[in-house]
Amino acid sequence: QQQVKQSPQSLIVQKGGISIINCAYENTAFDYFPWYQQFPGKGPALLIAIRPDVSEKKEGRFTISFNKSAKQFSLHIMDSQPGDSATYFCAASIGTYKYIFGTGTRLKVLA
Amino acid sequence: DADVTQTPRNRITKTGKRIMLECSQTKGHDRMYWYRQDPGLGLRLIYYSFDVKDINKGEISDGYSVSRQAQAKFSLSLESAIPNQTALYFCATSDNRQQHGYTFGSGTRLTVV
Repeated sequence: QQQVKQSPQSLIVQKGGISIINCAYENTAFDYFPWYQQFPGKGPALLIAIRPDVSEKKEGRFTISFNKSAKQFSLHIMDSQPGDSATYFCAASIGTYKYIFGTGTRLKVLA
Repeated sequence: DADVTQTPRNRITKTGKRIMLECSQTKGHDRMYWYRQDPGLGLRLIYYSFDVKDINKGEISDGYSVSRQAQAKFSLSLESAIPNQTALYFCATSDNRQQHGYTFGSGTRLTVV
């Protein structure tokens, strides 16, 4: 029940396309869902986050869609660019407790 | 200087050796974490500390120990390294309300031969 399942494991997208990464969870007590972006040789960095009281949050080309009834949330990267090539992790937490991370998605955007 | 500094950046060690990975932070955060990253397994929590006197096991603590020497310092030790501890290790910090998420260090790549 504490797991966060992430898919796909890897993704290749053409420049200008839409990248979509999905996560699913079981524990309905989770109330905070961040996404982290990791470039090679670097630690993950917070990209965008959402709470379950909203269904969508957008920051620039990055959007989180949240489906509370399905217990799923996804990251959409619009107009994907080669600079977006990175590993993306979803996560979930209960209040200010520790995060549970997904297994990661390696995104490659072709020029 | 980086907010979260991990040393060493890379380390090769032999099976059975004791090794310590160090982490220091300048964020002034109370909470610190050690994660291990493996391909296909994501980030798995080894130990976490919510303040200097609080140490907790994570999901994969066997074979590891930690020391919180000060608010700013949190070290991870492998008492007797084994090859399946070869991985990328990350230290992270957060404030008590996790308002800005976790701040990660740049990682330590550990190889046990």
